[in-house]
Amino acid sequence: DAKTTQPPSMDCAEGRAANLPCNHSTISGNEYVYWYRQIHSQGPQYIIHGLKNNETNEMASLIITEDRKSSTLILPHATLRDTAVYYCIVRVAGNTGKLIFGQGTTLQVKP
Amino acid sequence: ETGVTQSPTHLIKTRGQQVTLRCSSQSGHNTVSWYQQALGQGPQFIFQYYREEENGRGNFPPRFSGLQFPNYSSELNVNALELDDSALYLCASSAGLAGTTNEQFFGPGTRLTVL
Repeated sequence: DAKTTQPPSMDCAEGRAANLPCNHSTISGNEYVYWYRQIHSQGPQYIIHGLKNNETNEMASLIITEDRKSSTLILPHATLRDTAVYYCIVRVAGNTGKLIFGQGTTLQVKP
Repeated sequence: ETGVTQSPTHLIKTRGQQVTLRCSSQSGHNTVSWYQQALGQGPQFIFQYYREEENGRGNFPPRFSGLQFPNYSSELNVNALELDDSALYLCASSAGLAGTTNEQFFGPGTRLTVL
């Protein structure tokens, strides 16, 4: 299974863009990059996923490098409610589709 | 549209007891996955059910077992509880076989404490 590496913590000022990096240097060609976040004591929340093209939805943007060895999740205008643990996950190939969570990045949005 | 629900919210058991946790999947979803999240750690995959059959299992002993019912709701059973089983147990549902790119939607979890 491909593994991911994320910084353990990051700070961001409210209203500014939060850029969360993720390394996944051993990713396979048919594996997707997923991002989830978990606000304290709640279940993880799906944010976005992509294969090789950049993706954008109402929550965030996902930028994947051309070699697919790393990606960046961008929250364009962070709010205090975006304070959470953010998980970068490479979707396991095969038909179980299990998610392998690492330690994630704790993002603290400050006023 | 109703999201994923889990019951109970909190549970306290003693070592050696058995516990059953329940999950109702989101409307239209036929795949349910269970995860265990110890304090300060990321969730760990336990197993997945697709159309009432187990469809993949993580590194958990046989005393962790499950069921999925015709309405796609699911149960997680843990026998002979150990102190290390204390954790947040998360259920996630998705549409179709989860080998597709369909995202998994998580419930709020059940907090199990084993004394």
